[in-house]
Amino acid sequence: EIVLTQSPAIVSFSPGERATLSCRASETIYTYLTWYQQKPGQPPRLLIWDASNTAPGMPARFSGSGSGTDFTLTINSLEPEDFAVYYCQCHQGSSRKWPPVLTFGGGTKVEIK
Amino acid sequence: QVYLMQSGGGVVQPGRSLRLSCAASGFPFSTYPIHWVRQAPGKGLEPVAVISSDGDNQHYLGSMKGRVTVSRDNSRNMVYLQMNSLRPDDTAVYYCGKPSGSGLDHWGQGDLVIVSS
Repeated sequence: EIVLTQSPAIVSFSPGERATLSCRASETIYTYLTWYQQKPGQPPRLLIWDASNTAPGMPARFSGSGSGTDFTLTINSLEPEDFAVYYCQCHQGSSRKWPPVLTFGGGTKVEIK
Repeated sequence: QVYLMQSGGGVVQPGRSLRLSCAASGFPFSTYPIHWVRQAPGKGLEPVAVISSDGDNQHYLGSMKGRVTVSRDNSRNMVYLQMNSLRPDDTAVYYCGKPSGSGLDHWGQGDLVIVSS
């Protein structure tokens, strides 16, 4: 079973700083990694798909990178609305095979310093 | 515009049942599996179930396995999550989600289920 580990669990930045968040998979998932942003009281929102593709409508200051087992979400110049929780997610096996089982990381909370 | 509109949550006593609904619009519903994911207060995201596009296959995960049934009605663009023998630790916000590639590109607004006497 693939396990996703996000670190750190909580991180503090000042507005305008660059944030880099980590997600590590217990085995290779190639580039099949998704990032979500979740704000209090809201559902998760798709942020990055296939490791490096920014979802429609998400600002260009968000970028994703990585492949295999190590992935990074970068937020350039944090805006006040970026302070939220970020989750990474992959599938157990191929998303095209049944069953398409989702696995989520534990999340990283980005707080205002 | 894709919408997933959820309903059916609320307060329920331990041991009782509850059925959540997810009404979809804005996409070819019958061609997509639908996922259910829950989130306990202050916790992370936990997959609960997934149903195939035609409804013939279901897969269940986690601690709700054996107590939950997912179904769908493609003629009405609806997905249902029947939850039985509810326990206090089932208290969570439950989300339905539409997949795209290897992620979920649209989520319902969430439905809060509180299991308490």
